[in-house]
Amino acid sequence: EPEVTQTPSHQVTQMGQEVILRCVPISNHLYFYWYRQILGQKVEFLVSFYNNEISEKSEIFDDQFSVERPDGSNFTLKIRSTKLEDSAMYFCASSGSGSGYTFGSGTRLTVV
Amino acid sequence: KQEVTQIPAALSVPEGENLVLNCSFTDSAIYNLQWFRQDPGKGLTSLLLIQSSQREQTSGRLNASLDKSSGRSTLYIAASQPGDSATYLCAVRHDQKVTFGTGTKLQVIP
Repeated sequence: EPEVTQTPSHQVTQMGQEVILRCVPISNHLYFYWYRQILGQKVEFLVSFYNNEISEKSEIFDDQFSVERPDGSNFTLKIRSTKLEDSAMYFCASSGSGSGYTFGSGTRLTVV
Repeated sequence: KQEVTQIPAALSVPEGENLVLNCSFTDSAIYNLQWFRQDPGKGLTSLLLIQSSQREQTSGRLNASLDKSSGRSTLYIAASQPGDSATYLCAVRHDQKVTFGTGTKLQVIP
């Protein structure tokens, strides 16, 4: 069964550093998403991406965040200057038209 | 703004019991509703997807129903097993995003 692949599975970074979280969505999907889950809290929407541009973003997705689809397969989330409160599990997801979401297994980001 | 609520927040049942998890949402203009399972510290595993035009979906011991007009969905688990212990999340797709519920943490006691 097709999978969404995320790398790395765990990343530790110092406060103020830039991080890039990587995702390979399912190949024939057209919609891509990033979500995050702070430990013990709800899964929260960050951003959706379609046709090479952001289609919707939440208030969490401020100027410190950016997304990119640098080639035909990868989808990345960049955090420019990490803060302690950015520590969370970050999930990438993709979907086709009318289908459900397929989530990756997540990247656990720890900011120290 | 879409809000998704799950009741109960936690549930503990003996093995073999049938159980129902509840999900309610405030805006009935949805594309679909999806139930996920999440094990501690792990990712999200899709269990069932119900399109907005459908009333229910079944997979093995799982049955999910959707009543869009009343803003409710239920996940029925038959003959629960210890391996079913996890957090169950419902997620409603609307616009270009999905809103998740707070989850129900299920423990099935052997």
